[in-house]
Amino acid sequence: GENVEQHPSTLSVQEGDSAVIKCTYSDSASNYFPWYKQELGKRPQLIIDIRSNVGEKKDQRIAVTLNKTAKHFSLHITETQPEDSAVYFCAASIGYGNKLVFGAGTILRVKS
Amino acid sequence: DTGVSQNPRHKITKRGQNVTFRCDPISEHNRLYWYRQTLGQGPEFLTYFQNEAQLEKSRLLSDRFSAERPKGSFSTLEIQRTEQGDSAMYLCASSRNYGSLNYGYTFGSGTRLTVV
Repeated sequence: GENVEQHPSTLSVQEGDSAVIKCTYSDSASNYFPWYKQELGKRPQLIIDIRSNVGEKKDQRIAVTLNKTAKHFSLHITETQPEDSAVYFCAASIGYGNKLVFGAGTILRVKS
Repeated sequence: DTGVSQNPRHKITKRGQNVTFRCDPISEHNRLYWYRQTLGQGPEFLTYFQNEAQLEKSRLLSDRFSAERPKGSFSTLEIQRTEQGDSAMYLCASSRNYGSLNYGYTFGSGTRLTVV
Protein backbone atom coordinates (compact mmCIF):
# COMPACT_ATOMS: atom_id res chain seq x y z
CA GLY A 1 0.00 0.00 0.00
CA GLU A 2 0.93 3.65 0.13
CA ASN A 3 3.84 4.04 2.48
CA VAL A 4 6.50 6.55 3.52
CA GLU A 5 9.41 5.34 5.63
CA GLN A 6 11.53 7.82 7.56
CA HIS A 7 14.94 7.41 9.19
CA PRO A 8 16.35 7.88 11.72
CA SER A 9 13.65 8.01 14.37
CA THR A 10 15.89 10.11 16.64
CA LEU A 11 18.91 12.22 15.82
CA SER A 12 21.19 14.10 18.19
CA VAL A 13 23.73 16.57 16.83
CA GLN A 14 26.02 19.19 18.29
CA GLU A 15 25.13 22.79 17.64
CA GLY A 16 26.71 23.89 14.38
CA ASP A 17 26.81 20.41 12.88
CA SER A 18 24.64 19.23 9.99
CA ALA A 19 21.60 16.96 10.25
CA VAL A 20 20.23 14.69 7.54
CA ILE A 21 16.87 12.93 7.58
CA LYS A 22 15.94 10.43 4.88
CA CYS A 23 12.62 9.19 3.54
CA THR A 24 11.55 6.63 0.98
CA TYR A 25 8.16 6.39 -0.70
CA SER A 26 6.35 3.59 -2.46
CA ASP A 27 4.05 5.27 -5.03
CA SER A 28 5.97 6.09 -8.21
CA ALA A 29 3.20 8.56 -9.11
CA SER A 30 3.98 10.77 -6.09
CA ASN A 31 4.92 14.22 -7.34
CA TYR A 32 5.00 16.48 -4.28
CA PHE A 33 7.18 16.09 -1.18
CA PRO A 34 6.82 18.53 1.73
CA TRP A 35 8.65 18.57 5.05
CA TYR A 36 7.02 19.67 8.28
CA LYS A 37 8.48 20.74 11.63
CA GLN A 38 6.42 20.13 14.76
CA GLU A 39 7.45 21.58 18.08
CA LEU A 40 6.08 20.09 21.28
CA GLY A 41 2.36 20.79 21.62
CA LYS A 42 2.20 22.79 18.40
CA ARG A 43 0.86 22.28 14.91
CA PRO A 44 3.03 20.85 12.11
CA GLN A 45 4.46 23.70 10.03
CA LEU A 46 5.64 23.48 6.45
CA ILE A 47 9.36 24.29 6.22
CA ILE A 48 10.24 23.30 2.65
CA ASP A 49 8.80 21.29 -0.21
CA ILE A 50 9.95 19.91 -3.55
CA ARG A 51 8.15 18.80 -6.70
CA SER A 52 9.06 15.81 -8.79
CA ASN A 53 10.43 17.89 -11.66
CA VAL A 54 13.20 19.29 -9.42
CA GLY A 55 16.17 17.45 -7.92
CA GLU A 56 17.16 19.89 -5.18
CA LYS A 57 15.80 22.96 -3.45
CA LYS A 58 17.46 25.23 -0.86
CA ASP A 59 16.13 27.80 1.57
CA GLN A 60 18.85 29.32 3.75
CA ARG A 61 20.08 26.57 6.10
CA ILE A 62 17.70 23.88 4.88
CA ALA A 63 17.71 21.92 1.64
CA VAL A 64 15.83 18.99 0.23
CA THR A 65 17.04 16.53 -2.40
CA LEU A 66 14.92 14.12 -4.42
CA ASN A 67 15.93 10.95 -6.25
CA LYS A 68 12.90 9.85 -8.25
CA THR A 69 14.55 6.73 -9.60
CA ALA A 70 15.34 5.43 -6.13
CA LYS A 71 12.13 6.94 -4.70
CA HIS A 72 13.82 8.68 -1.83
CA PHE A 73 14.21 12.24 -0.63
CA SER A 74 16.21 13.85 2.15
CA LEU A 75 16.18 16.91 4.37
CA HIS A 76 19.49 18.60 5.11
CA ILE A 77 19.89 21.17 7.88
CA THR A 78 23.26 22.91 8.09
CA GLU A 79 24.70 24.93 10.99
CA THR A 80 22.10 23.53 13.36
CA GLN A 81 20.87 25.66 16.23
CA PRO A 82 19.04 24.72 19.46
CA GLU A 83 15.81 26.14 18.04
CA ASP A 84 15.96 23.51 15.28
CA SER A 85 15.13 20.90 17.95
CA ALA A 86 11.71 19.48 17.06
CA VAL A 87 10.04 16.54 15.34
CA TYR A 88 10.40 16.57 11.56
CA PHE A 89 7.97 14.77 9.26
CA CYS A 90 8.39 14.01 5.59
CA ALA A 91 5.38 13.40 3.37
CA ALA A 92 4.58 12.33 -0.18
CA SER A 93 1.50 13.08 -2.25
CA ILE A 94 -0.63 10.09 -3.16
CA GLY A 95 -3.09 10.01 -6.04
CA TYR A 96 -5.23 12.90 -7.11
CA GLY A 97 -6.30 15.41 -4.50
CA ASN A 98 -3.03 16.20 -2.79
CA LYS A 99 -3.56 13.59 -0.12
CA LEU A 100 -0.32 13.38 1.83
CA VAL A 101 1.08 10.27 3.47
CA PHE A 102 3.44 11.11 6.33
CA GLY A 103 6.48 9.40 7.69
CA ALA A 104 6.62 8.44 11.37
CA GLY A 105 8.80 11.43 12.22
CA THR A 106 12.35 12.14 13.38
CA ILE A 107 13.06 13.69 16.78
CA LEU A 108 15.97 16.08 16.26
CA ARG A 109 17.89 17.26 19.32
CA VAL A 110 20.50 19.95 18.88
CA LYS A 111 22.84 20.07 21.85
CA SER A 112 24.48 23.36 22.74
CA ASP B 1 -7.71 35.53 8.22
CA THR B 2 -5.10 34.21 10.61
CA GLY B 3 -4.93 30.56 9.59
CA VAL B 4 -6.76 27.32 10.23
CA SER B 5 -8.84 27.36 13.39
CA GLN B 6 -10.00 24.30 15.30
CA ASN B 7 -12.40 24.01 18.20
CA PRO B 8 -12.35 22.81 20.87
CA ARG B 9 -8.64 22.53 21.66
CA HIS B 10 -9.25 19.76 24.16
CA LYS B 11 -12.13 17.37 24.69
CA ILE B 12 -12.50 14.75 27.42
CA THR B 13 -15.44 12.44 26.98
CA LYS B 14 -16.74 9.21 28.43
CA ARG B 15 -16.66 6.08 26.35
CA GLY B 16 -19.84 5.73 24.32
CA GLN B 17 -20.54 9.46 24.04
CA ASN B 18 -20.64 11.37 20.77
CA VAL B 19 -18.26 14.24 20.06
CA THR B 20 -18.07 16.84 17.31
CA PHE B 21 -15.10 18.95 16.28
CA ARG B 22 -15.07 22.02 14.09
CA CYS B 23 -12.50 23.32 11.64
CA ASP B 24 -12.45 26.72 9.94
CA PRO B 25 -9.96 26.67 7.05
CA ILE B 26 -8.18 29.54 5.37
CA SER B 27 -10.90 31.16 3.30
CA GLU B 28 -9.03 31.10 -0.04
CA HIS B 29 -8.25 27.39 0.29
CA ASN B 30 -10.52 25.02 -1.62
CA ARG B 31 -9.36 21.79 -0.03
CA LEU B 32 -9.81 20.69 3.56
CA TYR B 33 -8.31 17.60 5.18
CA TRP B 34 -8.77 15.72 8.44
CA TYR B 35 -5.89 13.78 9.93
CA ARG B 36 -5.42 11.91 13.18
CA GLN B 37 -2.12 11.88 15.08
CA THR B 38 -1.18 9.65 17.97
CA LEU B 39 1.88 10.05 20.18
CA GLY B 40 5.12 9.33 18.36
CA GLN B 41 3.47 8.94 14.96
CA GLY B 42 2.98 11.03 11.87
CA PRO B 43 -0.45 12.34 10.93
CA GLU B 44 -2.74 9.68 9.40
CA PHE B 45 -5.15 10.66 6.63
CA LEU B 46 -8.85 10.38 7.45
CA THR B 47 -10.77 12.28 4.77
CA TYR B 48 -10.70 15.32 2.54
CA PHE B 49 -13.05 17.75 0.84
CA GLN B 50 -12.81 19.82 -2.29
CA ASN B 51 -15.20 22.67 -1.65
CA GLU B 52 -18.28 20.93 -0.22
CA ALA B 53 -17.68 17.53 -1.81
CA GLN B 54 -16.13 14.76 0.29
CA LEU B 55 -13.85 13.08 -2.22
CA GLU B 56 -12.05 10.40 -0.27
CA LYS B 57 -12.30 8.58 3.03
CA SER B 58 -9.64 6.40 4.59
CA ARG B 59 -10.30 2.83 5.65
CA LEU B 60 -9.42 4.16 9.13
CA LEU B 61 -12.70 6.08 9.07
CA SER B 62 -15.18 3.57 10.46
CA ASP B 63 -18.92 4.10 10.21
CA ARG B 64 -18.77 5.79 13.62
CA PHE B 65 -16.96 8.72 11.99
CA SER B 66 -18.67 11.25 9.77
CA ALA B 67 -17.44 14.51 8.32
CA GLU B 68 -19.26 17.33 6.60
CA ARG B 69 -18.37 20.58 4.95
CA PRO B 70 -21.61 22.40 4.26
CA LYS B 71 -21.33 25.21 1.71
CA GLY B 72 -17.64 24.51 1.30
CA SER B 73 -16.64 26.60 4.29
CA PHE B 74 -16.09 25.17 7.80
CA SER B 75 -16.06 21.43 8.41
CA THR B 76 -17.20 19.21 11.26
CA LEU B 77 -15.94 15.78 12.26
CA GLU B 78 -18.27 13.72 14.43
CA ILE B 79 -17.37 10.54 16.26
CA GLN B 80 -20.28 8.49 17.55
CA ARG B 81 -20.07 5.99 20.40
CA THR B 82 -16.48 6.93 21.20
CA GLU B 83 -13.99 4.23 22.16
CA GLN B 84 -10.73 4.55 24.08
CA GLY B 85 -8.85 3.86 20.84
CA ASP B 86 -10.25 7.10 19.43
CA SER B 87 -8.06 9.09 21.83
CA ALA B 88 -5.72 11.12 19.63
CA MET B 89 -5.03 14.56 18.26
CA TYR B 90 -7.38 15.38 15.38
CA LEU B 91 -5.75 17.76 12.95
CA CYS B 92 -7.47 19.77 10.26
CA ALA B 93 -5.54 21.25 7.35
CA SER B 94 -6.39 23.26 4.27
CA SER B 95 -4.63 23.91 0.99
CA ARG B 96 -5.16 25.54 -2.34
CA ASN B 97 -4.85 23.47 -5.43
CA TYR B 98 -5.05 24.39 -9.08
CA GLY B 99 -5.52 21.45 -11.40
CA SER B 100 -2.88 18.84 -10.63
CA LEU B 101 -0.49 21.27 -8.91
CA ASN B 102 -0.21 20.54 -5.21
CA TYR B 103 0.60 23.00 -2.47
CA GLY B 104 1.54 22.46 1.14
CA TYR B 105 -1.03 22.17 3.87
CA THR B 106 -1.62 24.71 6.59
CA PHE B 107 -2.52 22.80 9.73
CA GLY B 108 -4.71 23.90 12.58
CA SER B 109 -3.62 23.48 16.20
CA GLY B 110 -5.72 20.35 16.51
CA THR B 111 -8.32 19.00 18.90
CA ARG B 112 -6.95 16.62 21.50
CA LEU B 113 -9.55 13.97 22.30
CA THR B 114 -9.30 11.87 25.44
CA VAL B 115 -11.84 9.08 25.88
CA VAL B 116 -12.08 7.84 29.47
